[in-house]
Amino acid sequence: EPEVTQTPSHQVTQMGQEVILRCVPISNHLYFYWYRQILGQKVEFLVSFYNNEISEKSEIFDDQFSVERPDGSNFTLKIRSTKLEDSAMYFCASGTGIFVRTDTQYFGPGTRLTVL
Amino acid sequence: DAKTTQPPSMDCAEGRAANLPCNHSTISGNEYVYWYRQIHSQGPQYIIHGLKNNETNEMASLIITEDRKSSTLILPHATLRDTAVYYCIALYNAGNMLTFGGGTRLMVKP
Repeated sequence: EPEVTQTPSHQVTQMGQEVILRCVPISNHLYFYWYRQILGQKVEFLVSFYNNEISEKSEIFDDQFSVERPDGSNFTLKIRSTKLEDSAMYFCASGTGIFVRTDTQYFGPGTRLTVL
Repeated sequence: DAKTTQPPSMDCAEGRAANLPCNHSTISGNEYVYWYRQIHSQGPQYIIHGLKNNETNEMASLIITEDRKSSTLILPHATLRDTAVYYCIALYNAGNMLTFGGGTRLMVKP
């Protein structure tokens, strides 16, 4: 069964450093998402991406964040200058985009980001 | 998207049916009810969704009241692996973001 994959599973970085989190969505999916979950808190939406552009973003997704689909398979989340409060589990998700009203989002296993 | 309300936690005996309620009294006629779950710290997993009619798949059944103000997710024979946080989400357009509330923490006990 096809699945969303994410790398790395755990990333440790120093405050102020740039990080890139990578995701490989399910092949032929057209909608892509990033969510995050701070330890012990709710899953929060960051951004959705469709047709090579951001379709929706939350207040969390400020200028320090960016997303890119550099090729036909990868979807990346970049944090330009990490802060301590960016420490969280980051989940990538994808959806077919075919069934606009009833599409399902499939989530990856997550990348745990630890900012020291 | 309409707000949903779920009990924070529930217990269920292994092998018994787990019935997880959700209130969505302000749901509009075009909003679907989606259920996802999150096992430990894994990525959320889709379970089922519905609009008006009851739905069943290999994982669960979804019962939606006639007025659509509430629904119940039924896991017919809960196993220990069903221990997870279950989220009920009302969604108009599936391409939109998912808004996760607190969910219901289901503990399946031997």
